[in-house]
Amino acid sequence: DQQVKQNSPSLSVQEGRISILNCDYTNSMFDYFLWYKKYPAEGPTFLISISSIKDKNEDGRFTVFLNKSAKHLSLHIVPSQPGDSAVYFCAASEMGANSKLTFGKGITLSVRP
Amino acid sequence: NAGVTQTPKFQVLKTGQSMTLQCAQDMNHEYMSWYRQDPGMGLRLIHYSVGAGITDQGEVPNGYNVSRSTTEDFPLRLLSAAPSQTSVYFCASTAGLAANEQFFGPGTRLTVL
Repeated sequence: DQQVKQNSPSLSVQEGRISILNCDYTNSMFDYFLWYKKYPAEGPTFLISISSIKDKNEDGRFTVFLNKSAKHLSLHIVPSQPGDSAVYFCAASEMGANSKLTFGKGITLSVRP
Repeated sequence: NAGVTQTPKFQVLKTGQSMTLQCAQDMNHEYMSWYRQDPGMGLRLIHYSVGAGITDQGEVPNGYNVSRSTTEDFPLRLLSAAPSQTSVYFCASTAGLAANEQFFGPGTRLTVL
């Protein structure tokens, strides 16, 4: 049973437009959510996170929105750049369980010049 | 700081062989974890440690052993390699309760024939 779901395996957007990457979760105990970016042959790198006490967190071009009632979060990238092309993983953890991240399967984002 | 380092980068084993994947971090992080990434599966937690001398199982621990004798090192042992353990392995670390963001190493690509 997958607790973190990224149902769209890929997304293609034009440079300069908005990229919206979606993530759903089923475990009500999750209270911290993270997005990681991964390039081929590299380890994932942390992008942005959000605590369950917030509904929005912004960092430059990246904004994460959390809808707890729907158990849904999304990552917005505005404007999208070709260098954003990568695999994006949504991850979640329970309070205090810092070493235990549950990941989604990832979304491959392609930003067309 | 080197961050999280992993060796080797690539490894080919025959079924039944044993080996140890090395992981080290120089950030004085208490929490360390091992994940494996398989195509279409995202990252799955194998084992984790909340401090020297303390380890616990993750989602897919079978076939793997870990130990944590120092804060810096967290090796992953494959006792008798199987083709199902062909994967990319990532080690990660995080500071502690106030920091859910995990820092990942570059990965070890393991093939078991």
